[in-house]
Amino acid sequence: EAGVTQFPSHSVIEKGQTVTLRCDPISGHDNLYWYRRVMGKEIKFLLHFVKESKQDESGMPNNRFLAERTGGTYSTLKVQPAELEDSGVYFCASSHGGAGTDTQYFGPGTRLTVL
Amino acid sequence: SQKIEQNSEALNIQEGKTATLTCNYTNYSPAYLQWYRQDPGRGPVFLLLIRENEKEKRKERLKVTFDTTLKQSLFHITASQPADSATYLCALDRTGGGNKLTFGTGTQLKVEL
Repeated sequence: EAGVTQFPSHSVIEKGQTVTLRCDPISGHDNLYWYRRVMGKEIKFLLHFVKESKQDESGMPNNRFLAERTGGTYSTLKVQPAELEDSGVYFCASSHGGAGTDTQYFGPGTRLTVL
Repeated sequence: SQKIEQNSEALNIQEGKTATLTCNYTNYSPAYLQWYRQDPGRGPVFLLLIRENEKEKRKERLKVTFDTTLKQSLFHITASQPADSATYLCALDRTGGGNKLTFGTGTQLKVEL
């Protein structure tokens, strides 16, 4: 079974440009999460989808970030316009959902560098 | 505000010894506490989950304790091996199912021959 995949693995952009990150969750997983780790800090939650609906977007830093999950499959996270402080590693995770404990499976991350 | 602290210093131990990592938290009442392993260039990998009403959980060479009075979890790796070298993250979760994780900064473990 394929794990969570993310694209691209690295992205280097200029301040003010737009970048779109993509996450493909494990097939059949209803829950999809975005997290971010900036240099020297802990991994922080950004938002959570259940299928195509945003369940919790309390961690989104500001309105320059837009996440979508059309059709409840893959998700994109767009940053527009990018700022220097957006640099970091963006992780996507997915989980099956349902009753009981629900393990989150993480992708390898996208390293974003804003110059 | 919520705070999760893990040993900020890297932990170096000799092969065969037991590694003990600490996770302390404040201003939080998690229902579940999870431990993850992260290797360079990779995402976190789930290792163990312990519930608030459990004192201890084991899996092979791994053991986790959870003391909600002290607000602390200890993570032990017995008979450590160089392949155990990685960063270990603790993460707190209020519901255990379909909810966001709150991570600590992680502790880097190096197991030397």
